[in-house]
Amino acid sequence: GAGVSQSPRYKVTKRGQDVALRCDPISGHVSLYWYRQALGQGPEFLTYFNYEAQQDKSGLPNDRFSAERPEGSISTLTIQRTEQRDSAMYRCASSKLQGNTEAFFGQGTRLTVV
Amino acid sequence: AQTVTQSQPEMSVQEAETVTLSCTYDTSENNYYLFWYKQPPSRQMILVIRQEAYKQQNATENRFSVNFQKAAKSFSLKISDSQLGDTAMYFCAFMRGAGNNRKLIWGLGTSLAVNP
Repeated sequence: GAGVSQSPRYKVTKRGQDVALRCDPISGHVSLYWYRQALGQGPEFLTYFNYEAQQDKSGLPNDRFSAERPEGSISTLTIQRTEQRDSAMYRCASSKLQGNTEAFFGQGTRLTVV
Repeated sequence: AQTVTQSQPEMSVQEAETVTLSCTYDTSENNYYLFWYKQPPSRQMILVIRQEAYKQQNATENRFSVNFQKAAKSFSLKISDSQLGDTAMYFCAFMRGAGNNRKLIWGLGTSLAVNP
């Protein structure tokens, strides 16, 4: 696609439910990143992929968070047994592997856990 | 570990005037990139300007320019002829230059208000 697409744009879920957030990167972009941004804070790194391989998941806060990118394109970030503290904007970005270092961001998914 | 510090939580400027946003960072790397991103009320994340650490010349993009002081690890953003549409959160970010991991390390942001 023309840009990075994330869905849903908004998600309200009850505490304890699982949620899956989707990211569709720019076509041909090898690298895909997930960030989380709490209200009034800067983004923080969660995890990233090159192709289908998860290269770094050091930013995932705990084992309720997981991500996959099985075919090296669309990625899904899953949060199990959501808690109120998981409420945030979840952003996806994609970039080329080499050369140009610019990361293109999607519109984000605003997750609210009630 | 790399860190990015933005010491000005909020700033304001009159329309048409110039404002400078501060950013300092800490790293032991020699090859890296620095960025300023803009987040308007729509909450989109928009790249404003990028600086490669190996380049001594300060980056410029129209009304936006940076003052990159590598030895001091300082990377400030100057906005000239401020416009109402410049009202936004501004984030400074760091990226390692080596390896394939292009994750961004972010500051906490500066909220800029441009007043008419």
